[in-house]
Amino acid sequence: AQKVTQAQTEISVVEKEDVTLDCVYETRDTTYYLFWYKQPPSGELVFLIRRNSFDEQNEISGRYSWNFQKSTSSFNFTITASQVVDSAVYFCALSEDTWSGSARQLTFGSGTQLTVLP
Amino acid sequence: ETGVTQTPRHLVMGMTNKKSLKCEQHLGHNAMYWYKQSAKKPLELMFVYSLEERVENNSVPSRFSPECPNSSHLFLHLHTLQPEDSALYLCASSQGLGLDEQYFGPGTRLTVT
Repeated sequence: AQKVTQAQTEISVVEKEDVTLDCVYETRDTTYYLFWYKQPPSGELVFLIRRNSFDEQNEISGRYSWNFQKSTSSFNFTITASQVVDSAVYFCALSEDTWSGSARQLTFGSGTQLTVLP
Repeated sequence: ETGVTQTPRHLVMGMTNKKSLKCEQHLGHNAMYWYKQSAKKPLELMFVYSLEERVENNSVPSRFSPECPNSSHLFLHLHTLQPEDSALYLCASSQGLGLDEQYFGPGTRLTVT
């Protein structure tokens, strides 16, 4: 069974600091996708990134970067020069290539509440 | 409108009431989902629809009844709920049932009194 662990429940940083959100996953599949979503106070989850299990290249998008390490089953997310608007709950999620029932399911971690203080 | 919309945004209902949550997606997607988000718990997938057919029902109590009249609309009918059903109910859509990213609505904050 697939599982996603976000051990950091809450993190507080001061604006302009860098912060890394950890994500560790478990899966028996060799083909899978990993996702990060952001949930601001308004409620809707905002899709940030999707990576497949065959692409271990790190990715950078502006102040966001992701470090995918299959050897440690981790997919960590770093925000550089954090801003107050980055305050949100961040979820890591995993989808395997095998079907559960009639659909692939997205398994979410429990989320990390990030607070960026001015 | 764009993206995924949900109405109402907030709902308070008694245990004997019947109400419905509505979700609409304007993305041309073929799959739609209902999730439940309770405090301190991971998101729980409730139902999955693909091309208006239900393809997944994750052991959800029968007091929750989904309906998908077309690929753009998804409803969640509620009746005789319990206080522990109070949560944020999120709707999402994706292009297919595969490994596509899901796009979420803002959710309905439900309180059962």
